Amino acid sequence: DQQVKQNSPSLSVQEGRISILNCDYTNSMFDYFLWYKKYPAEGPTFLISISSIKDKNEDGRFTVFLNKSAKHLSLHIVPSQPGDSAVYFCAAENHGGATNKLIFGTGTLLAVQP
Amino acid sequence: DAGITQSPRHKVTETGTPVTLRCHQTENHRYMYWYRQDPGHGLRLIHYSYGVKDTDKGEVSDGYSVSRSKTEDFLLTLESATSSQTSVYFCASRDRTMNTEAFFGQGTRLTVV
Repeated sequence: DQQVKQNSPSLSVQEGRISILNCDYTNSMFDYFLWYKKYPAEGPTFLISISSIKDKNEDGRFTVFLNKSAKHLSLHIVPSQPGDSAVYFCAAENHGGATNKLIFGTGTLLAVQP
Repeated sequence: DAGITQSPRHKVTETGTPVTLRCHQTENHRYMYWYRQDPGHGLRLIHYSYGVKDTDKGEVSDGYSVSRSKTEDFLLTLESATSSQTSVYFCASRDRTMNTEAFFGQGTRLTVV
């Protein structure tokens, strides 16, 4: 049973509009969350992260929101650009664990239409 | 970008044969990971390492083993390849876990026929 889920396999957005990608997790011990972007035939690349002591982290056009009570995080991209078209993965881990498994979600394919 | 390379990049092998994939990093990172990417399943953790000779199982470890005899190398072995192990395999490494990201290799596309 996957501990990190992205329930939307795909999302299509118009250029210039906001893209909102969602991620849910089941393990309440997770305390650090990351978002990665992946283009075809390439490895995933880091985008943005958030610690559980925060509820928001912003980096340019990318903002991640964390709702611990709902075990939910979201990635907002504003404004969306065609170059943002990629698969987005969220990931989570428990820093307090003896070892640190970095668990990824199922991914959401974002298509930004010109 | 962190220097992390995977070899081979592509491989076709027959069912029942052993296969070893190699991950090499030049960043002296302590932590290393092996994932597989499959449609509908995203990236699933196979095994990971938190130091030389220190490894642990991930979410989908059955049929796989790993070894880490040096900081820079993390090997993934399929003891007897099956068609269900056809996938794209990614290796990642990171310096520490607190507030740091993992860097990924380019991936290895493995086909078991």
